[in-house]
Amino acid sequence: DSGVTQTPKHLITATGQRVTLRCSPRSGDLSVYWYQQSLDQGLQFLIHYYNGEERAKGNILERFSAQQFPDLHSELNLSSLELGDSALYFCASSVGPKPSEQFFGPGTRLTVL
Amino acid sequence: GESVGLHLPTLSVQEGDNSIINCAYSNSASDYFIWYKQESGKGPQFIIDIRSNMDKRQGQRVTVLLNKTVKHLSLQIAATQPGDSAVYFCAEISHQTGANNLFFGTGTRLTVIP
Repeated sequence: DSGVTQTPKHLITATGQRVTLRCSPRSGDLSVYWYQQSLDQGLQFLIHYYNGEERAKGNILERFSAQQFPDLHSELNLSSLELGDSALYFCASSVGPKPSEQFFGPGTRLTVL
Repeated sequence: GESVGLHLPTLSVQEGDNSIINCAYSNSASDYFIWYKQESGKGPQFIIDIRSNMDKRQGQRVTVLLNKTVKHLSLQIAATQPGDSAVYFCAEISHQTGANNLFFGTGTRLTVIP
């Protein structure tokens, strides 16, 4: 158990819908990272927050957004969902602003029908 | 942007043998590398890391080798066990460029044959 929690574990929804994925970092970690992993693909970095502020953006679509709250948990919002958005979404956390040793959560599997 | 790739998408080894998983990276400014293990249905798990000022680093049954000349990284697993079956990813980052995210390769699936 990495100490990073993600909810929900599974999510099934329809095209055009909007969903919110939630992540709680390890106790003491200030950084949260979001990744997308499509079937048999590597992890694609989406976005990084440190202590409530956005630090880096990767290949995140405009339909996606995220935020980190004062209690350091983070939410990833996916809207106008398309079939191709079906994937595993991982959250990771680390102590500082540099993504050195990230600890990953168990992921949320999103299925868009 | 940076790209990280793997030479072998799949690798099958006999239990007890040593495994070598390779990774090539393209950004010569990368100064930090990590190997992750991802078991089915789980998130990636940190295995070992290495900084660019080192050529070799050893952990428990694992060794990472870094060859900056040819931009190549490898993960060696000694006495491979069935529990080592997983997908292995290498990831790299360049702190010098101010980039603040890891770039992951596509992964190598290691299957250990009992």
